[in-house]
Amino acid sequence: AQSVTQLDSHVSVSEGTPVLLRCNYSSSYSPSLFWYVQHPNKGLQLLLKYTSAATLVKGINGFEAEFKKSETSFHLTKPSAHMSDAAEYFCVVRENYGGSQGNLIFGKGTKLSVKP
Amino acid sequence: DTEVTQTPKHLVMGMTNKKSLKCEQHMGHRAMYWYKQKAKKPPELMFVYSYEKLSINESVPSRFSPECPNSSLLNLHLHALQPEDSALYLCASSQRLGGDEQYFGPGTRLTVT
Repeated sequence: AQSVTQLDSHVSVSEGTPVLLRCNYSSSYSPSLFWYVQHPNKGLQLLLKYTSAATLVKGINGFEAEFKKSETSFHLTKPSAHMSDAAEYFCVVRENYGGSQGNLIFGKGTKLSVKP
Repeated sequence: DTEVTQTPKHLVMGMTNKKSLKCEQHMGHRAMYWYKQKAKKPPELMFVYSYEKLSINESVPSRFSPECPNSSLLNLHLHALQPEDSALYLCASSQRLGGDEQYFGPGTRLTVT
């Protein structure tokens, strides 16, 4: 069975400093991994995805994530935080095999706060 | 166009009311999804449609009734809801079931009084 663990429920950074949101996954097969962002009272927006191509994935708004199979990690980074980055971030793994194929498995989310 | 639209944005209903949520996409996607999201929690899958046929029902109570009238539309009919059903209801679509990313709508904020 696949699962995903977001290691921090809340991360607080100052504007202009780097962002690191940590995610570990568990998967028996080659996973598809995603990061979604949700601003307050909004839907989810796809930031980036990994689907077994390049291990360093670039997304929108300056975010990127690196797939590390040996560490079963898919951490999200951004060199310089902006106030508009304050939101909830979900790391997601997709079932690629079996009866639940296609289902998304969500982490519990990390709330990112950005201080001026 | 990567947009999924949902109406209404907000809905307040009593426990005896009947209402419907609507979702629409024009990306040619053949898989559509309903999720329920409680405050400070990740979304939970409710239903999945693939090629207009119900593919997955995650043991959702019968007071929630999904409908997929065509490949672009997905409805969620609500009847005799409970206050604990108050949540953000999200619709999503993907090119096909089991492949590609899901695109989410902005959600309908439902309050049951």
